[in-house]
Amino acid sequence: DSGVTQTPKHLITATGQRVTLRCSPRSGDLSVYWYQQSLDQGLQFLIQYYNGEERAKGNILERFSAQQFPDLHSELNLSSLELGDSALYFCASSPRESSYNSPLHFGNGTRLTVT
Amino acid sequence: AQSVTQLGSHVSVSEGALVLLRCNYSSSVPPYLFWYVQYPNQGLQLLLKYTSAATLVKGINGFEAEFKKSETSFHLTKPSAHMSDAAEYFCAVSPSGGGADGLTFGKGTHLIIQP
Repeated sequence: DSGVTQTPKHLITATGQRVTLRCSPRSGDLSVYWYQQSLDQGLQFLIQYYNGEERAKGNILERFSAQQFPDLHSELNLSSLELGDSALYFCASSPRESSYNSPLHFGNGTRLTVT
Repeated sequence: AQSVTQLGSHVSVSEGALVLLRCNYSSSVPPYLFWYVQYPNQGLQLLLKYTSAATLVKGINGFEAEFKKSETSFHLTKPSAHMSDAAEYFCAVSPSGGGADGLTFGKGTHLIIQP
């Protein structure tokens, strides 16, 4: 058990809809990372928050947004969903701002299916 | 920009045989490199990391990796495969080596263990 909790585990929705994925980091971790894993693109870094502030952006679409709350949990909002957004979305946390000197701890992911 | 290339999307070895998973990196600065493992229906788990302290890095579950700057490689090995090693393995690089960032992952190698 990594200590990172993601909810829900599975999500099925229709095109055009909006969903929110939730992540609770390990106790004491200040950084939260969001990744998208799909068969064709592999693992893609989306965005990182550190202690409530956005720190780094990867390949995140404009239809997607995220935030980290004062209690350090994070939410990833996906809107105007398309079939291609179907993927496994992972949250990871670490105690520090940088991933190079502190490993990322991953949750078990949220599987999103857009129909 | 940093990147990693994993050679072979699938590798099959017999139980008890040597495991060799290949990873080559591209980086304009000294990289920080990682191997993560993903078991079915789980998040990623750190196996080992290279942060310039030693070129041969030992990780969990009997895995190790050697950093070879001349070959820009960071291959993962295990002397004797076990059935429980069957999983997806990802090589990753830290884009900046410091500061806020998200790891860049390779496409992954699916390790199959034949009985």
